[in-house]
Amino acid sequence: AQSVTQLDSQVPVFEEAPVELRCNYSSSVSVYLFWYVQYPNQGLQLLLKYLSGSTLVKGINGFEAEFNKSQTSFHLRKPSVHISDTAEYFCAVSETGGFKTIFGAGTRLFVKA
Amino acid sequence: DTGVSQDPRHKITKRGQNVTFRCDPISEHNRLYWYRQTLGQGPEFLTYFQNEAQLEKSRLLSDRFSAERPKGSFSTLEIQRTEQGDSAMYLCASSLGGADTEAFFGQGTRLTVV
Repeated sequence: AQSVTQLDSQVPVFEEAPVELRCNYSSSVSVYLFWYVQYPNQGLQLLLKYLSGSTLVKGINGFEAEFNKSQTSFHLRKPSVHISDTAEYFCAVSETGGFKTIFGAGTRLFVKA
Repeated sequence: DTGVSQDPRHKITKRGQNVTFRCDPISEHNRLYWYRQTLGQGPEFLTYFQNEAQLEKSRLLSDRFSAERPKGSFSTLEIQRTEQGDSAMYLCASSLGGADTEAFFGQGTRLTVV
């Protein structure tokens, strides 16, 4: 069975500072990896995904993530955050050939002026 | 297309009552998912349809929960004899394709059982 651990429940950061949101997963088979973002009062939307190939994945709004198979990690990064990046971020995993996506508990990113 | 829509957005019900939620997926999407999200947690998978076929329902929380997707279009999630522990956000998502494709989420239905 797959599982996802997001190591930080909350991350406060000042505007224009870099940020890293950590995610570790476990699975006995090959997986796809995702980061979703949930802004207040909105549905989840996809930031980026890793399917195969290059381990560095670029997504929307300047975010990127790096897949590290040996460390079973998929950390999300942004070099300079904005106030508008304040949201809940969810790491997720699904088995290749499967159908369901398993989500982590989420990390609340709070960007301060 | 306006995306995945869910109705109602909020539902307050008394313990023991039945409730039904509706999800309208993006029209060309063949896959539809239901998730539950409680405070401080990520979405928890409940069930999945491919077209009208419910291919996975073992994660439905009890036999009080049931879901349908007649004609492979909209879906309903029903909870019978609601309990206070059922209070949560119920999310619907749809996708076109397999586990490697993006799931588009609705804004959810927030259920409060009093």
